[in-house]
Amino acid sequence: AQRVTQPEKLLSVFKGAPVELKCNYSYSGSPELFWYVQYSRQRLQLLLRHISRESIKGFTADLNKGETSFHLKKPFAQEEDSAMYYCALSEAGYGGSQGNLIFGKGTKLSVKP
Amino acid sequence: NAGVTQTPKFQVLKTGQSMTLQCAQDMNHNSMYWYRQDPGMGLRLIYYSASEGTTDKGEVPNGYNVSRLNKREFSLRLESAAPSQTSVYFCASSLNRDSSYEQYFGPGTRLTVT
Repeated sequence: AQRVTQPEKLLSVFKGAPVELKCNYSYSGSPELFWYVQYSRQRLQLLLRHISRESIKGFTADLNKGETSFHLKKPFAQEEDSAMYYCALSEAGYGGSQGNLIFGKGTKLSVKP
Repeated sequence: NAGVTQTPKFQVLKTGQSMTLQCAQDMNHNSMYWYRQDPGMGLRLIYYSASEGTTDKGEVPNGYNVSRLNKREFSLRLESAAPSQTSVYFCASSLNRDSSYEQYFGPGTRLTVT
């Protein structure tokens, strides 16, 4: 069965420190991986996806198929990065269960001044 | 352009009562979803509608029913609420159910069943 694991419930760092939110997945096929973020009092929104290979708000994430990981990284954390972060997996393609997102349990990032 | 809207924002029910959560989107999306979010559990898919006129079960459908009323609206019904259904419910929509399309989420409905 598909599974997404975020081992840290809470990650606390100081402003300016590097941050890495871990995400591991189990899936035998060809997955698509996403990071969603929920800021306080805001709705859940897409942060980035692995196929885009882009940097959003200074965050990057590389899909490592060998380690089945999709860790989210930022070299210098900012206080406004404090939020709940969810890693999610979807089967690539269209039809059947493709397109359904499987979420990890989330990591709360707290960036202290 | 309001995106995805949900009503109500908060609701308290007694065990056995019924209610319907409403969701609407104004982005002309074909696919819509209902999730529940429980502490320490992340989001889990309850039901989804790939397109108008179709609905399918997700990971945790028991105790719920859905209706895709039209392209804009997708409602979630609890026929006989139970304390285990205390949760935050999120509706989402996407252009299609292809995994390349971003899902847009509503603000959520916080439901408490006593």
